[in-house]
Amino acid sequence: DQQVKQNSPSLSVQEGRISILNCDYTNSMFDYFLWYKKYPAEGPTFLISISSIKDKNEDGRFTVFLNKSAKHLSLHIVPSQPGDSAVYFCAASGETSGSRLTFGEGTQLTVNP
Amino acid sequence: ETGVTQTPRHLVMGMTNKKSLKCEQHLGHNAMYWYKQSAKKPLELMFVYNFKEQTENNSVPSRFSPECPNSSHLFLHLHTLQPEDSALYLCASSQGHLADTQYFGPGTRLTVL
Repeated sequence: DQQVKQNSPSLSVQEGRISILNCDYTNSMFDYFLWYKKYPAEGPTFLISISSIKDKNEDGRFTVFLNKSAKHLSLHIVPSQPGDSAVYFCAASGETSGSRLTFGEGTQLTVNP
Repeated sequence: ETGVTQTPRHLVMGMTNKKSLKCEQHLGHNAMYWYKQSAKKPLELMFVYNFKEQTENNSVPSRFSPECPNSSHLFLHLHTLQPEDSALYLCASSQGHLADTQYFGPGTRLTVL
């Protein structure tokens, strides 16, 4: 049972445009959400997180939006840069999962110059 | 060295071999984790250690044997693996147990022949 799903395996955008990566979850008890970025031959690196008490968190070019009623979160990158090309994983945790992180399958973002 | 390091970065082994993966974290964290990432699948949590004590074994076959001699070092001992165990094995650490942001190492790409 996949509790965190990233339905788009890949996304391609032009440099300077907005990248929107989406993530859906099924466990309504999740209360903390994270995005990780992974370059080839490297481990995932933490990007940004959001708690369920908020619906938006912004850090520079990266903004995460949380829609609890839809059980949906998204990561917006604007403006997108070629160096943003990587695999992006969303992850969620909550008390009922023992606070363990549950990851999505990842979305490969390619930003074209 | 800073962050989370893993050795070796690549490993090829036969089904009858015994090998070990090593992880070291230089972040002063108290919790360490082993994850498995197979192609096109989400990261799967394998083991969790908190202050050197194993707190989670996510139904991992006994051919994978973790060892945590101290809060900075984590090993994964491998023996009689199967070809389907070929994957990227990632180590992570966090300050607190499970709920805190996890920081990942670069991973060991394991191929079982």
